[in-house]
Amino acid sequence: ETGVTQTPRHLVMGMTNKKSLKCEQHLGHNAMYWYKQSAKKPLELMFVYNFKEQTENNSVPSRFSPECPNSSHLFLHLHTLQPEDSALYLCASSQDLGAGGYGYTFGSGTRLTVV
Amino acid sequence: GNSVTQMEGPVTLSEEAFLTINCTYTATGYPSLFWYVQYPGEGLQLLLKATKADDKGSNKGFEATYRKETTSFHLEKGSVQVSDSAVYFCALTDNQGGKLIFGQGTELSVKP
Repeated sequence: ETGVTQTPRHLVMGMTNKKSLKCEQHLGHNAMYWYKQSAKKPLELMFVYNFKEQTENNSVPSRFSPECPNSSHLFLHLHTLQPEDSALYLCASSQDLGAGGYGYTFGSGTRLTVV
Repeated sequence: GNSVTQMEGPVTLSEEAFLTINCTYTATGYPSLFWYVQYPGEGLQLLLKATKADDKGSNKGFEATYRKETTSFHLEKGSVQVSDSAVYFCALTDNQGGKLIFGQGTELSVKP
């Protein structure tokens, strides 16, 4: 248990479905992040939130819609995805926006397969 | 801008072999340096870190020394085990409010 919990661990969805990924942390961290990890590719930072406010969106397609209702919870809403969106989606948190000497704490990820 | 470069993988070793995974960085100022490990099917876990020059981070038999003169933070282990098979990520943060910057990851496979 890392302190950051992601659900579900695995998700298979059709291209016309709507689903949501959930991330929860009770570490008292103020910043939260969504990453995409595809096979044989580097980690891709998707979104950054600080005190519930989005501070970064790295040109992510609108079929991915993040939501951060409070500093402890982060969601990624998915709709009309493409097969190339199949990947491991990782959530992370940090005390503050700058990682400083502490780094980030990661969840175990959601393995998403789009069929 | 800040960046991290790791040696290309995959690295394949026999059990009990010596491991080195090279990591070099480019950064302004005095960054903090990290190694993360990702076991199959899991997220990233912090393995070790060093926050100033000449510091040595260590954990689970792994070590890395912050070398400012060579801008390096190479990961070493004297005797690897099959259970060390994973992907290893080197990372840095600039300690000025900047994000964590990751290298591309190096896959390690240890054979019995």
